[in-house]
Amino acid sequence: DQQVKQNSPSLSVQEGRISILNCDYTNSMFDYFLWYKKYPAEGPTFLISISSIKDKNEDGRFTVFLNKSAKHLSLHIVPSQPGDSAVYFCAASRYNFNKFYFGSGTKLNVKP
Amino acid sequence: DSGVTQTPKHLITATGQRVTLRCSPRSGDLSVYWYQQSLDQGLQFLIQYYNGEERAKGNILERFSAQQFPDLHSELNLSSLELGDSALYFCASSPTDNEQFFGPGTRLTVL
Repeated sequence: DQQVKQNSPSLSVQEGRISILNCDYTNSMFDYFLWYKKYPAEGPTFLISISSIKDKNEDGRFTVFLNKSAKHLSLHIVPSQPGDSAVYFCAASRYNFNKFYFGSGTKLNVKP
Repeated sequence: DSGVTQTPKHLITATGQRVTLRCSPRSGDLSVYWYQQSLDQGLQFLIQYYNGEERAKGNILERFSAQQFPDLHSELNLSSLELGDSALYFCASSPTDNEQFFGPGTRLTVL
């Protein structure tokens, strides 16, 4: 049972434009959400997180939006850079619950 | 470099065999998590250890087992290997329950 879904396996964006990566979840008990970035031959690296008490969290060019009623979160990257080309995973958990559920990833390609 | 090391990087073995994957967490991190990533799939949580004790269990098969040693390194043992066990296996360590640092992974190929 896939509790976290990323329905777009890939996304291609022009350098300088906005990248929007989407993620849906089914478990309403999730209250902590994370985005990870993964380059080939490396492990995922933490990018940004948001707890369910917020609907937006920003860190530089990266902003995560959470819509709890829709059970949807998105990652916005503005402006996109070629170095952002990677696979992005969203993950969800219950705070301090120790189990993290990951989506299948979206491969972002930022074209120069 | 996350500070988490995993060995070996690559492992090729045959069906029915047994292998051990090793993970050394970041200095000071007490928690270790194991994940499996099959082709085009997300990371599937397998198991978590905290300071030597099993803390949470995910979709881990009975043929798989893990342990965390007093020096906090962890091993994931996979036995009676099947073709479908071919995957990337990631270890992550954590200083808190909501932050994880991933190792580079071990790519297991079962022929």
